[in-house]
Amino acid sequence: AQSVTQLGSHVSVSEGALVLLRCNYSSSVPPYLFWYVQYPNQGLQLLLKYTTGATLVKGINGFEAEFKKSETSFHLTKPSAHMSDAAEYFCAVTHSGGYNKLIFGAGTRLAVHP
Amino acid sequence: DVKVTQSSRYLVKRTGEKVFLECVQDMDHENMFWYRQDPGLGLRLIYFSYDVKMKEKGDIPEGYSVSREKKERFSLILESASTNQTSMYLCASSSPGQVYEQYFGPGTRLTVT
Repeated sequence: AQSVTQLGSHVSVSEGALVLLRCNYSSSVPPYLFWYVQYPNQGLQLLLKYTTGATLVKGINGFEAEFKKSETSFHLTKPSAHMSDAAEYFCAVTHSGGYNKLIFGAGTRLAVHP
Repeated sequence: DVKVTQSSRYLVKRTGEKVFLECVQDMDHENMFWYRQDPGLGLRLIYFSYDVKMKEKGDIPEGYSVSREKKERFSLILESASTNQTSMYLCASSSPGQVYEQYFGPGTRLTVT
């Protein structure tokens, strides 16, 4: 079975500060990992994904994440937060086969203050 | 761009009513999914479909059913709505050839009174 834990349901940063959103996963098979963002009153939008290959993955809007197998982590970072980054972020895991079923974490709401 | 549309953004229904939530995607995707989203719980899979007329239960199928008569359309049915089904419902679609990325609709916020 697979699972995802997002540490911190709410994170608050200042504009221009580093953004770090934590995600740890559990999987008995090689995982495929995703970060999605949800802006208010909208659906989810893919930020980035890791499947195979390079463990540092770059996504949209300046975000990146690093797959660390030894730590079973896939933390999301952005060097400098913008006000427009305020949203809810979801980490998700799946594996090859299985009809693309994603297992989501509980989400982290990011607030950015001036 | 992939587009996933949902029939309503907001819906208010009474306890015991039969409720239909419709989802349409325009990218010829084989897989379609229904999730519900609740604060602190993330997204939980209700049902999914990997082909026309095919369906599989997700993690929380109780109280729900689905229908997929055409490839582009996936309907979620609440046979007898209850207040504990008040939630945000999200539809998604994906293609096996796109490395498991799912594309989401804008969601339907359902309130059952």
